Amino acid sequence: KNEVEQSPQNLTAQEGEFITINCSYSVGISALHWLQQHPGGGIVSLFMLSSGKKKHGRLIATINIQEKHSSLHITASHPRDSAVYICAVNPNYGGSQGNLIFGKGTKLSVKP
Amino acid sequence: GAGVSQSPRYKVTKRGQDVALRCDPISGHVSLYWYRQALGQGPEFLTYFNYEAQQDKSGLPNDRFSAERPEGSISTLTIQRTEQRDSAMYRCASSFSGSYNEQFFGPGTRLTVL
Repeated sequence: KNEVEQSPQNLTAQEGEFITINCSYSVGISALHWLQQHPGGGIVSLFMLSSGKKKHGRLIATINIQEKHSSLHITASHPRDSAVYICAVNPNYGGSQGNLIFGKGTKLSVKP
Repeated sequence: GAGVSQSPRYKVTKRGQDVALRCDPISGHVSLYWYRQALGQGPEFLTYFNYEAQQDKSGLPNDRFSAERPEGSISTLTIQRTEQRDSAMYRCASSFSGSYNEQFFGPGTRLTVL
């Protein structure tokens, strides 16, 4: 079993829809990251959080430490949001400092 | 302010050859990470440095893989005697310091071993 699991694997939405991507993890963590990988391959950090909720524009990320679960929400989705969204965690075992464990990603396609 | 850069962006090599992949992190970033990403998969951790010290190399798949960061800035990932299974995107990232900091990713080097 992977230490970081994402769902769904693929997601197709119509422009304007509210989107939720889920991430569950099985290890103790110091932080969780949401990353966006563009169709051209570049990776951009969207959020880093260890508790509660963060919001940037139309993007919202939440984390529940007790349940080891995080969600990424996109409001009023747009075709330019089409990308792969990756959840990654900083594990806090074994003296690790900063290396990330990644989920396999969720491929989002937003249709006009 | 330049971001993380990697070179070459694409590398095609024949099985058995050695390759060296370069990463130039954001100036002033203490920590540098190497990841490998197979097609359709998320990245997987290879190794990371704080300054010039290699802190964790547990993700390197075997002893054909090595990395160095001799002056605490530019890093080189070397793969000796390449095999077809080494074909992947190799990504570098840097952060201001190791723990609990945003990582900034380079564009990656696409390695193809024929």
